[in-house]
Amino acid sequence: SQKIEQNSEALNIQEGKTATLTCNYTNYSPAYLQWYRQDPGRGPVFLLLIRENEKEKRKERLKVTFDTTLKQSLFHITASQPADSATYLCALDIGGGGADGLTFGKGTHLIIQP
Amino acid sequence: DVKVTQSSRYLVKRTGEKVFLECVQDMDHENMFWYRQDPGLGLRLIYFSYDVKMKEKGDIPEGYSVSREKKERFSLILESASTNQTSMYLCASSFQGMGYTFGSGTRLTVV
Repeated sequence: SQKIEQNSEALNIQEGKTATLTCNYTNYSPAYLQWYRQDPGRGPVFLLLIRENEKEKRKERLKVTFDTTLKQSLFHITASQPADSATYLCALDIGGGGADGLTFGKGTHLIIQP
Repeated sequence: DVKVTQSSRYLVKRTGEKVFLECVQDMDHENMFWYRQDPGLGLRLIYFSYDVKMKEKGDIPEGYSVSREKKERFSLILESASTNQTSMYLCASSFQGMGYTFGSGTRLTVV
């Protein structure tokens, strides 16, 4: 079965620096990969989707890369702010159509310190 | 904005009760999903549906069933609630190949 590992349970970053989160997966090659943000007691919020034929995707201060050879995605937040503190989840879709359900990693708890 | 609405934020039920968790989306999405989230285990897929009256088992369907009679509504049913079903339940919907929109979750406690 698909296994997803996110680099650490918690990550502490100084405000203004770039936060980099890692997502590694095994066994299959997903058609696309997604990143979500989750705040305590709330449902995840979709941030970015990157397809297998895309190397990089950007949205404002967010950047995602996808290396299908390494089976890894990196999620970057530049000029990080305390408001970026949250748990970030990566998720994989194997079928590509989105109808079969995403498999989620356990998340990285990001703390941005002022 | 697409909204996914879950009927209750908090729910307390007794062991053996039949429990219904309701989820409604307002964006005409074909796909709907039920996950549960537990500390240390992350999000796990219970059931999903890609069309009215269609349902597919996810990774942990045991003890659950679902109903999708209308496109916008996807219900999760705990046939006979047990304490190990105490969890946060999250409903989501999506359009083909797009990101998921999640509801705010239902924190269910079975006593």
